[in-house]
Amino acid sequence: EMQLVESGGGLVQSGGSLRLSCVASGFTFNNYNMNWVRQAPGKGLEWVSFITTDINPIYYADSVKGRFTISRDNAKNSVYLQMNSLTAEDTAMYYCARGDGSIDLWGQGTPVTVSS
Amino acid sequence: QLVLTQSSSASASLGASVKLTCTLSSEHSTYAIVWHQQQPEKGPRFLMKLNNDGSHTKGDGVPDRFSGSSSGPERYLTISSLQSEDEADYYCQTWGTGIRGVFGGGTKLTVL
Repeated sequence: EMQLVESGGGLVQSGGSLRLSCVASGFTFNNYNMNWVRQAPGKGLEWVSFITTDINPIYYADSVKGRFTISRDNAKNSVYLQMNSLTAEDTAMYYCARGDGSIDLWGQGTPVTVSS
Repeated sequence: QLVLTQSSSASASLGASVKLTCTLSSEHSTYAIVWHQQQPEKGPRFLMKLNNDGSHTKGDGVPDRFSGSSSGPERYLTISSLQSEDEADYYCQTWGTGIRGVFGGGTKLTVL
C-alpha cells in the first residue's frame, strides 16, 4: 500500500522553529516530486513548497519564502520541512503530498500550533 | 494570475446526482486540474485528474459514481447516486510554471 506518514508537528512559541518529516512507503520514492501543503483551522488547502527528485528546482509559496526550507533524503524515502521564524499564521495541519503539479497521494497530516 | 474558483457550498439529496464546478482563470482555460475529496476530520484524498478535453484518470478505489467533464474554462465533478459518505469538502487543484499548487477555495457538499 502506498503511504505517506508525517511527523514532527507540535506546539511552538512564536519565533520558534520546527522540523517536519514525511516518510514514504509502497512506491519508488526517488521517482517522485514531493510537496508540503497546509490547512489552517476551518480554512482551505494552501500549497507551501515543492521539491523535485533531484532537489532542483525547489519552489515556495510567498507566505513562507525565506523562512521555510524543504529538503529530501532519497536513501531514507523522506522529505522534510524546516520551519523557522514561526508566527500564529503558520498554525495549521501540514500534509505531505506526492506529485509534480498533479497531487495524487496525501499523508494524514501533522498539526502545528504556534502560540503567541 | 492562475486562479481556481469554486462555489462555497452545494447540496443534494441522498441517491440523487450533483455537479460541482471549478472555473479556471480565463487565460488558463486549457489547464488540467485535479479533484480532491476531504471528508470531515480526515486528510484529503485524490479523486481524479481531469484534462481540458474531459478525459480523466481516477485514483485507486474511487467509485464509478464519480466522473469528470470539461467545458471551456470549467471543470466539473459529477457524483451520482449520492451516499452519506460523499458529504465532504471538494477541492480542485492545478499548477503552473514556478508554482506547483494552486487550490480552489473548496466546495462543502451536504447530502440531504
